[in-house]
Amino acid sequence: QKEVEQNSGPLSVPEGAIASLNCTYSDRGSQSFFWYRQYSGKSPELIMSIYSNGDKEDGRFTAQLNKASQYVSLLIRDSQPSDSATYLCAVATSGGSYIPTFGRGTSLIVHP
Amino acid sequence: DVKVTQSSRYLVKRTGEKVFLECVQDMDHENMFWYRQDPGLGLRLIYFSYDVKMKEKGDIPEGYSVSREKKERFSLILESASTNQTSMYLCASSPPAKNIQYFGAGTRLSVL
Repeated sequence: QKEVEQNSGPLSVPEGAIASLNCTYSDRGSQSFFWYRQYSGKSPELIMSIYSNGDKEDGRFTAQLNKASQYVSLLIRDSQPSDSATYLCAVATSGGSYIPTFGRGTSLIVHP
Repeated sequence: DVKVTQSSRYLVKRTGEKVFLECVQDMDHENMFWYRQDPGLGLRLIYFSYDVKMKEKGDIPEGYSVSREKKERFSLILESASTNQTSMYLCASSPPAKNIQYFGAGTRLSVL
């Protein structure tokens, strides 16, 4: 059973701070890692993907992957109230059935 | 831009009714998925399809069936709706050999 674990939160940070969201996974064969953002009442949308160890930056977002520790994280710099949402971590094994395993999500609240 | 369209945003049905949820994608994706999302339980895969007329059970297929007669359309059928099927239903599609999923807006189904 492949598992993806996230702290459900809520994680509360002040506006302008760095929000750090974490995710661990059980399948060592995992090769593709994704972060989705889901606003309340809306559907998930992809914000980051990462496939190799290290950091990947896109604007205010940085995804970090450590396969040895089976750990992936998302950093949001200069957090804004509009970043308040649930962030879903998803993990997949490339070459498999192309079905990612989703974590249950971490709720982020950015307060002014 | 990938567009995944679900036919209804909100639906109210009676116990025992047969319910059809429709999903259409416009990017010629092979893979399509149906999930339900409930508070605290995250995304749970109901069924998926990797080709026309092909379908595979996900984690919670009981009480549901699917139909994929055309590549762009994937339908979820509740044969006899029950109150425990009240949920948010999300359709997703993904391109071949990719794990990235594109979600529709979701259908919030209430079974009374």
